[in-house]
Amino acid sequence: GAGVSQSPRYKVAKRGQDVALRCDPISGHVSLFWYQQALGQGPEFLTYFQNEAQLDKSGLPSDRFFAERPEGSVSTLKIQRTQQEDSAVYLCASATEGFYEQYFGPGTRLTVT
Amino acid sequence: AQTVTQSQPEMSVQEAETVTLSCTYDTSESDYYLFWYKQPPSRQMILVIRQEAYKQQNATENRFSVNFQKAAKSFSLKISDSQLGDAAMYFCAYQGAQKLVFGQGTRLTINP
Repeated sequence: GAGVSQSPRYKVAKRGQDVALRCDPISGHVSLFWYQQALGQGPEFLTYFQNEAQLDKSGLPSDRFFAERPEGSVSTLKIQRTQQEDSAVYLCASATEGFYEQYFGPGTRLTVT
Repeated sequence: AQTVTQSQPEMSVQEAETVTLSCTYDTSESDYYLFWYKQPPSRQMILVIRQEAYKQQNATENRFSVNFQKAAKSFSLKISDSQLGDAAMYFCAYQGAQKLVFGQGTRLTINP
């Protein structure tokens, strides 16, 4: 079946612009995660949803970062007033309830100029 | 907070040989999962192998096996009969309740 998809794959934003990154999880997966991966580093947790409920947003680096999953399926990560330090790959992952494995999407590479 | 440490930024191995990637972690929890993920240049994170902490038996998936030492909080990955397609970044990851905590990664190069 279809895996996790993310769009766009690449995004270039000027400093100060707002961006929205989309994640389509595997159908039926109730859990959804966002991670941020800086160049040459391991991914770092941003936020976690179970269905439409955002249960953990402890990894969001500032109040410029906002995530939603209004119908418990597609999720959007929004970054307001982008800064250069926001440049990274943003990975989305989904999992079943009682999960043992998170399935990752291909990521969105964000470059802030 | 849990931490994961991969002390080898880069490793290389001859094709068909065996290589071991190291990982240590720190946690106060007794029930958790450990993973090795592979990330090729295409960026897609692919699960290589998984270990449940309550299981004493080391996990094995074809050419990939782990050496899980719970008391030492060590979780190494052994790749046997290395193939050119194994070249990638490898990340060790810890999962307690929900989120994954990743190490810094090891870049593995396969020499033909």
